[in-house]
Amino acid sequence: AQSVTQLGSHVSVSEGALVLLRCNYSSSVPPYLFWYVQYPNQGLQLLLKYTSAATLVKGINGFEAEFKKSETSFHLTKPSAHMSDAAEYFCAVSVDTGRRALTFGSGTRLQVQP
Amino acid sequence: DADVTQTPRNRITKTGKRIMLECSQTKGHDRMYWYRQDPGLGLRLIYYSFDVKDINKGEISDGYSVSRQAQAKFSLSLESAIPNQTALYFCATSDPPFGEQFFGPGTRLTVL
Repeated sequence: AQSVTQLGSHVSVSEGALVLLRCNYSSSVPPYLFWYVQYPNQGLQLLLKYTSAATLVKGINGFEAEFKKSETSFHLTKPSAHMSDAAEYFCAVSVDTGRRALTFGSGTRLQVQP
Repeated sequence: DADVTQTPRNRITKTGKRIMLECSQTKGHDRMYWYRQDPGLGLRLIYYSFDVKDINKGEISDGYSVSRQAQAKFSLSLESAIPNQTALYFCATSDPPFGEQFFGPGTRLTVL
């Protein structure tokens, strides 16, 4: 079975600072990995996805993530935080080729301080 | 118009009542899912369906049932609601091959 661990339930950064949200996965087969963002009172929106092509994946709103098989990680980064980035971020993995349902991490709430 | 819609958006009910949450999609996807979100737990899969005749339990299906009325419609029922079913419920759709999912806006359910 697959699993996802997000380190840090809350992360606070200053506006303009680097954003780093950590995600580690467990899987016995090559995974597909996703980052979703949830703004208050909204559903989840896909930020980016890794589907076994390039290991460095660029997404929307200036976010990117790097798949590192040796570290079983898929950390999300953004060079310069903006106030509008404040939201909850979820890492998810899909490895079950039959079911193709996502297994989510517990989420990381990002606060951006002015 | 939104690709995945959910009704109602908010619902307050009492213990023991039967509740139905509805989901409709215009994306043309065969696969549909129901998740619940609880603070600190992320999203957990309740049920999923690959087509009208293919419905499967997820990791937390006890106390829930579903109906896939058509490719575009997937309903979640709580036969006898209990307070620990208070949560935010999301419907999602996906299309092969990568499992990327598209989420509705959610239904906030409170069971008193």
